[in-house]
Amino acid sequence: AQKVTQAQTEISVVEKEDVTLDCVYETRDTTYYLFWYKQPPSGELVFLIRRNSFDEQNEISGRYSWNFQKSTSSFNFTITASQVVDSAVYFCALSEALGAGNNRKLIWGLGTSLAVNP
Amino acid sequence: ETGVTQTPRHLVMGMTNKKSLKCEQHLGHNAMYWYKQSAKKPLELMFVYSLEERVENNSVPSRFSPECPNSSHLFLHLHTLQPEDSALYLCASSQGRVAYGYTFGSGTRLTVV
Repeated sequence: AQKVTQAQTEISVVEKEDVTLDCVYETRDTTYYLFWYKQPPSGELVFLIRRNSFDEQNEISGRYSWNFQKSTSSFNFTITASQVVDSAVYFCALSEALGAGNNRKLIWGLGTSLAVNP
Repeated sequence: ETGVTQTPRHLVMGMTNKKSLKCEQHLGHNAMYWYKQSAKKPLELMFVYSLEERVENNSVPSRFSPECPNSSHLFLHLHTLQPEDSALYLCASSQGRVAYGYTFGSGTRLTVV
């Protein structure tokens, strides 16, 4: 069965530290998508990245980077030089195919709560 | 307005009350979703509407009743709720059900007393 595991429940760092959030997934699909979302205290889930299972290239966006490794079924997220505004809950998710066609649903991890302290 | 807007932001209701949550999207999306977020649990998909038709109902108790009058609006009608229904209820929309490009609202924090 599809599953997403975020083993780190809470992480606390001091501003300017680098921090890596782990995500491990299980799926039998050959085509799937992986996502990271950020949920700040305001509540809305903010989309950060989508990765296609055929694209293992790592991605960097400003202070954010993602390391996708199919061999270990991991899709880890690193924040470089963390800032207080990065404090939020971060969710990793996996899309699951719903039969034929393009319909899919998301399987969510439990989230990692990141606190960046000044 | 842009994005997905949910009202109210906070709601406290008694177990015998009837209330409704409202979601509105201004993105031209054709699929809308209700999610429930409880502490220490994965996000739970409750209902999916695609082109205003309910296409998924994940064994949600009948005390939750969704309504999608058009592609821009989604409601969740609540009646005779239980304290364990207290949670953050999130609305999302997407173009198609390909599970990327979800846009979420800020949620309604519901407390049942």
